[in-house]
Amino acid sequence: GAGVSQSPRYKVTKRGQDVALRCDPISGHVSLYWYRQALGQGPEFLTYFNYEAQQDKSGLPNDRFSAERPEGSISTLTIQRTEQRDSAMYRCASSEGYSNQPQHFGDGTRLSIL
Amino acid sequence: QQQVKQSPQSLIVQKGGISIINCAYENTAFDYFPWYQQFPGKGPALLIAIRPDVSEKKEGRFTISFNKSAKQFSLHIMDSQPGDSATYFCAASRVQGAQKLVFGQGTRLTINP
Repeated sequence: GAGVSQSPRYKVTKRGQDVALRCDPISGHVSLYWYRQALGQGPEFLTYFNYEAQQDKSGLPNDRFSAERPEGSISTLTIQRTEQRDSAMYRCASSEGYSNQPQHFGDGTRLSIL
Repeated sequence: QQQVKQSPQSLIVQKGGISIINCAYENTAFDYFPWYQQFPGKGPALLIAIRPDVSEKKEGRFTISFNKSAKQFSLHIMDSQPGDSATYFCAASRVQGAQKLVFGQGTRLTINP
């Protein structure tokens, strides 16, 4: 596709359930980022992949959060045993991977935990 | 720790006026400063970016001014138009390595016709 695609657009689930959020980056983009954006705030970094390698996961809040990108393209962010505080917009971005290359953001997944 | 502070939170400008949004950063290791524009329901889109080796960068009606000694940078939108109404985010990162962006809190800009 032409841009970064995220699915689902909206996810409502009950507290304690596991959720998986998907990101399909721009074709050929080497770098992939996950951010979380609270209402009225800027995105906050969660984790970063270069090809299939998770290079930085310093922004993941706790061990309930994990991400993978097994074939260096599509990535999945998984949240286990969801809590209400996990409710937010989750955004994925991709870039060509060279320095100064812009990050292109998807339209996000709005996660609501009841 | 908030590493990038953005102001104002909201801004109303008349059509044709100049919109100015300011940001300040703390980490002197940052060397890449982009501005993103976000419309409701959409992801942030890169508007313009600057490296600290220049003090100003202009692209059309959009200009970034950069003050390295003060650790501040600003976005100026000349001849503001109703279509510019959006939320604007400044950000900062290091060029090398992960390039993980640190965003400001955002400015909701409204251009009145």
